Amino acid sequence: NAGVTQTPKFRVLKTGQSMTLLCAQDMNHEYMYWYRQDPGMGLRLIHYSVGEGTTAKGEVPDGYNVSRLKKQNFLLGLESAAPSQTSVYFCASSYGGMTSYEQYFGPGTRLTVT
Amino acid sequence: KQEVTQIPAALSVPEGENLVLNCSFTDSAIYNLQWFRQDPGKGLTSLLLIQSSQREQTSGRLNASLDKSSGRSTLYIAASQPGDSATYLCAVTGGTSYGKLTFGQGTILTVHP
Repeated sequence: NAGVTQTPKFRVLKTGQSMTLLCAQDMNHEYMYWYRQDPGMGLRLIHYSVGEGTTAKGEVPDGYNVSRLKKQNFLLGLESAAPSQTSVYFCASSYGGMTSYEQYFGPGTRLTVT
Repeated sequence: KQEVTQIPAALSVPEGENLVLNCSFTDSAIYNLQWFRQDPGKGLTSLLLIQSSQREQTSGRLNASLDKSSGRSTLYIAASQPGDSATYLCAVTGGTSYGKLTFGQGTILTVHP
């Protein structure tokens, strides 16, 4: 049981390049989330999904797109990277519903945009 | 808009001391509150989750309390150890927010031998 995994762990992009971050969970969780963590700003929600085929915007969605084609995977895309997107990105998942929203986090992806 | 504040921002204590970390939130209509630990360069590890109907949760040397009406939670760490050194984050979930977490800025804890 790997929990929540993220690929890649590190990445350096040039301004204007694109990339996709992959999040995978093997806990059969319904809900998945993408956060970014920045010094002085804490963790902020980018996008989230409450089930396969659904996505919704969080607090800081601009410049990002997401897809949830399979229940176990949640992809975060940057179409045209900007230096302001330099951050550590965390994916999380939870069972959802009214039983528990306890969230389990992946190890993070450290992205630098030059 | 929900805002979460953690005090103190940093704390340094000698090994063996009991300590309290504080978390406050502005909107008391929460579904649950979660405490996390984050080691440098690592992800978040869930320590305790308190449902809005609960007053406290315990796990080993950790005890978290919740006073929803006053918008406060505390994390009590007993007999601190150097291995407890990390950043501790508090986060709340709103009642209709699909589990979306609003985080505090964290408390950086250093326990020295």
